Amino acid sequence: QKEVEQDPGPLSVPEGAIVSLNCTYSNSAFQYFMWYRQYSRKGPELLMYTYSSGNKEDGRFTAQVDKSSKYISLFIRDSQPSDSATYLCAMSEGYGGATNKLIFGTGTLLAVQP
Amino acid sequence: KAGVTQTPRYLIKTRGQQVTLSCSPISGHRSVSWYQQTPGQGLQFLFEYFSETQRNKGNFPGRFSGRQFSNSRSEMNVSTLELGDSALYLCASSPGTMTTEAFFGQGTRLTVV
Repeated sequence: QKEVEQDPGPLSVPEGAIVSLNCTYSNSAFQYFMWYRQYSRKGPELLMYTYSSGNKEDGRFTAQVDKSSKYISLFIRDSQPSDSATYLCAMSEGYGGATNKLIFGTGTLLAVQP
Repeated sequence: KAGVTQTPRYLIKTRGQQVTLSCSPISGHRSVSWYQQTPGQGLQFLFEYFSETQRNKGNFPGRFSGRQFSNSRSEMNVSTLELGDSALYLCASSPGTMTTEAFFGQGTRLTVV
């Protein structure tokens, strides 16, 4: 079993829809949670960075972390065709030393249809 | 503020050769991590350097190595290339303390033939 599980999709939605992307994980030591967006042939771009449980909002994006369920989500409101990309969740145990490395989900391919 | 710069962007090498990839992190960042991205395995951690010292290492063979210079720039070397080493190699820059927030470069796409 992988440490981080993510539905690979593809997920296709109409423009303006609310998109929900999710990851589950097994390592209870994870404390830092990130969402990255990756366009084809580009490097991942950091969208959201959260610590421990709770919600964080940035524009059209909302990240939720539920450590008790080992479940994280990214919501995209009013989705746009420019949001079409692969979305990757990533997690780490902490900063510094042996725990700084990021463990990634496999990514969800999202297509927003005009 | 300049982002993370990786060079070269594309490389084609022959089996058995070696290759060196370069990464310049964001100014002021002291941590550089390297990841391999393939369609089958996704993004996998190779190693991390902080203040010129390897601080963390993933599960890759010894053919994969790296180093970091005093200006935080990092290089990654792969010796005796195999076909399976074909991948997008990504460098991530992080302050290195108080946060695991990491910013990626555009990557180097390595093709081994």
